[in-house]
Amino acid sequence: EAGVAQSPRYKIIEKRQSVAFWCNPISGHATLYWYQQILGQGPKLLIQFQNNGVVDDSQLPKDRFSAERLKGVDSTLKIQPAKLEDSAVYLCASSSLLAGGTDTQYFGPGTRLTVL
Amino acid sequence: AQSVAQPEDQVNVAEGNPLTVKCTYSVSGNPYLFWYVQYPNRGLQFLLKYITGDNLVKGSYGFEAEFNKSQTSFHLKKPSALVSDSALYFCAVRDRETGGSYIPTFGRGTSLIVHP
Repeated sequence: EAGVAQSPRYKIIEKRQSVAFWCNPISGHATLYWYQQILGQGPKLLIQFQNNGVVDDSQLPKDRFSAERLKGVDSTLKIQPAKLEDSAVYLCASSSLLAGGTDTQYFGPGTRLTVL
Repeated sequence: AQSVAQPEDQVNVAEGNPLTVKCTYSVSGNPYLFWYVQYPNRGLQFLLKYITGDNLVKGSYGFEAEFNKSQTSFHLKKPSALVSDSALYFCAVRDRETGGSYIPTFGRGTSLIVHP
């Protein structure tokens, strides 16, 4: 079974530029998560999708971050414009969670973003 | 609100010795508890989870964890450490009573170093 795919693996941009990350979850997984992991900290959930709908985006900085999962499969996370404090690893995870279930999340390798 | 504490930034152990990585949690209701491992430049990998039932949970690679409700702890253990176990370990908690949102909270991580 193929794992969660993410691209690019690394990205360096200057502040105020825009950037986009892509994630393709494990086939058949209805739930997709985007996390931000700042160096020295645990992952922080940014947004959770169930199929193509948003379940929770309460921790997503909506003034600059956006995410979509239009067809309920792959997803894109965008930052516009980027700030220095956005430097982090962005992790995508998926699970076969159904409502009320207990999920085991499978993580991709992450995209390491450096904002200069 | 829910929270997770991993009181040790780093744990050092000799190969062949038992290891313990500590985790304590706080939730308003009953918890779901998880352990993940992160190797350098890779995403998080699921190790084990506690949902309900037996307080001793066995997981991947010979790891196990014991749920202790009175001490609100979920320490990760392994009887005999391997050098290849050296990695970053994350504990995570989710409140079982959260309803439709499944936001997990991760600890800051504990770096496990196993010396030959």
